[in-house]
Amino acid sequence: AQTVTQSQPEMSVQEAETVTLSCTYDTSESNYYLFWYKQPPSRQMILVIRQEAYKQQNATENRFSVNFQKAAKSFSLKISDSQLGDTAMYFCAFMKPIDLLPSGTYKYIFGTGTRLKVLA
Amino acid sequence: DSGVTQTPKHLITATGQRVTLRCSPRSGDLSVYWYQQSLDQGLQFLIQYYNGEERAKGNILERFSAQQFPDLHSELNLSSLELGDSALYFCASSAGGTSGNEQFFGPGTRLTVL
Repeated sequence: AQTVTQSQPEMSVQEAETVTLSCTYDTSESNYYLFWYKQPPSRQMILVIRQEAYKQQNATENRFSVNFQKAAKSFSLKISDSQLGDTAMYFCAFMKPIDLLPSGTYKYIFGTGTRLKVLA
Repeated sequence: DSGVTQTPKHLITATGQRVTLRCSPRSGDLSVYWYQQSLDQGLQFLIQYYNGEERAKGNILERFSAQQFPDLHSELNLSSLELGDSALYFCASSAGGTSGNEQFFGPGTRLTVL
């Protein structure tokens, strides 16, 4: 069974600094996707970044980038130039198609989250 | 705005009661997922529908049921409510098929059982 582990329950970073959130996962699949979601105090779940396992290049979205190490099954999120608005809970998620069923079925597994606080 | 809508935003009810939570997916999305998030906890996957059919079940209690209608909106029914059912319930949608695999989340329904 697939698992997603976020080993840092809480982290803090000074404004304008860089922080890295870790995520490891366990799977025997070769075709899968990885995501980082952000949940600010409003509790809305917001997609931050996605990575396809077949792509070697690390995904980047503005100040957010990932370090995807497929062999090590590691998917960390780096936030550069941290801003107060980055204060949130961050969830790592693993997704794979369920091949035995008709298309449209995907299995998603979320980590337990890392609470990030950006300090002024 | 993700394009996924959920109603109501807040719901307060008593133990033993039954409630229905409603979700409208993004336009064109065929898959709907339901999650439960208790206070300061992670997301617990409950159930998934694709184009009207149930496709996957997670840790969904027998007191809970769901369905997806022909217009693709979905409803989550919670019955014989207990104090422990108090949580934020999210609906998410994705396009399904061979593309559009990220989930887009609604704002959630906060359920309080007194």
